[in-house]
Amino acid sequence: SQQGEEDPQALSIQEGENATMNCSYKTSINNLQWYRQNSGRGLVHLILIRSNEREKHSGRLRVTLDTSKKSSSLLITASRAADTASYFCVGGAGSYQLTFGKGTKLSVIP
Amino acid sequence: DAMVIQNPRYQVTQFGKPVTLSCSQTLNHNVMYWYQQKSSQAPKLLFHYYDKDFNNEADTPDNFQSRRPNTSFCFLDIRSPGLGDAAMYLCATSPHQGEQYFGPGTRLTVT
Repeated sequence: SQQGEEDPQALSIQEGENATMNCSYKTSINNLQWYRQNSGRGLVHLILIRSNEREKHSGRLRVTLDTSKKSSSLLITASRAADTASYFCVGGAGSYQLTFGKGTKLSVIP
Repeated sequence: DAMVIQNPRYQVTQFGKPVTLSCSQTLNHNVMYWYQQKSSQAPKLLFHYYDKDFNNEADTPDNFQSRRPNTSFCFLDIRSPGLGDAAMYLCATSPHQGEQYFGPGTRLTVT
């Protein structure tokens, strides 16, 4: 797989605001996945976007993918305190292994 | 409703005393994975099984072993835990190359 590099490393916003996280990767991918991890818990798969897709929505999540720039963004609209977590992106490249980056730590202040 | 179950959630073991962590799944997925996650770090893949086919990551220490007796269960054995092995251990499954489904993790403390 392709390790994603998330940016920023940490983000703090007020409840109700939108949160945008960015991801960059280095080589070609088949898909890009975003995961969330609440403090001290397992990871939860949020969304997968394929390399031939440019944008995907799931509830309050919007993911974009720009393969020419090798970048992706995750937008969380109308954030809630429960969105406080670390967010990871991973590029899938035709193998079973996922290589996680350091993630973006999002804090949503009530 | 639980899909990937890990037991125990918290495990304390002594330095050098073998320990086994377990994972079970109700999803009937072909692939099962074990990750190690140390505090404030990214999860790191240790190994994975495609059915009974075992795949070890190149940098996984020999101290870590795994067994998958059937589709539903997978075990992580740490033969001689050191202080540096204290971490969260995450089990995951997937039906194919794509999204993975994680369990809640087992937090291992080594005293």
